[in-house]
Amino acid sequence: DIQMTQSPSTLSASVGDRVTITCRASQSISHWLAWYRQKPGKAPKLLIYEASTLESGVPSRFSGTGSGTEFTLTVSSLQPDDFATYYCQQYDVYSPTFGGGTKVEVK
Amino acid sequence: QVQVVESGGGVVQPGTSLKLSCEASGFTLNSYVMHWVRQAPGKGLEWVSLMSHDGSNKHYAESVKGRFTISRDDFKNTLYLQMDSLRTEDAAMYYCAVENHSSGRCATFDYRGQGTLVTVSS
Repeated sequence: DIQMTQSPSTLSASVGDRVTITCRASQSISHWLAWYRQKPGKAPKLLIYEASTLESGVPSRFSGTGSGTEFTLTVSSLQPDDFATYYCQQYDVYSPTFGGGTKVEVK
Repeated sequence: QVQVVESGGGVVQPGTSLKLSCEASGFTLNSYVMHWVRQAPGKGLEWVSLMSHDGSNKHYAESVKGRFTISRDDFKNTLYLQMDSLRTEDAAMYYCAVENHSSGRCATFDYRGQGTLVTVSS
């Protein structure tokens, strides 16, 4: 299986901050990378797919870049709703695999 | 409203069985590839199983192969996960998810429910 590694595991930030999360794949996955946000007690919600395409209805403050083995998710101006855990997922090959998560907490 | 309701979770002992259900409303399950994804308490996400839209293809994670069985009842518009020989490491929140964006080999997931919790403890 392809291993996905996220960093940092925890990030402290304030409302209005610009935050960036990194995801690295153990082998090239082209641009087949998705990002999810998960609030406590809720199911994950897809934010970005194909590394940089915003899912319908997702605010434009979210953006994604990268290809091959290194990817980033950026939130341009953190909102109260964004304090949550973020996961990357590769969908280049089976089995789909996820990063370990990045928790964005209030500074 | 497009949603699923997962049910069937509970507290069971190691070695026993449990059957999870995922009832869909607002859409027809057999029009989509459906998946089960789980999340151990405080941990990350793990893909478990998929069923193709026509039911001809079923795949499982190595960690559950031979113990879990995915199935579907089209009249009830419900997806199932039969879990046998449960282990403590199977304890998790189980989500059913709709496959949405595909690479042609794999896909992303649209989670439309809140999951059902399975606890495996002696």
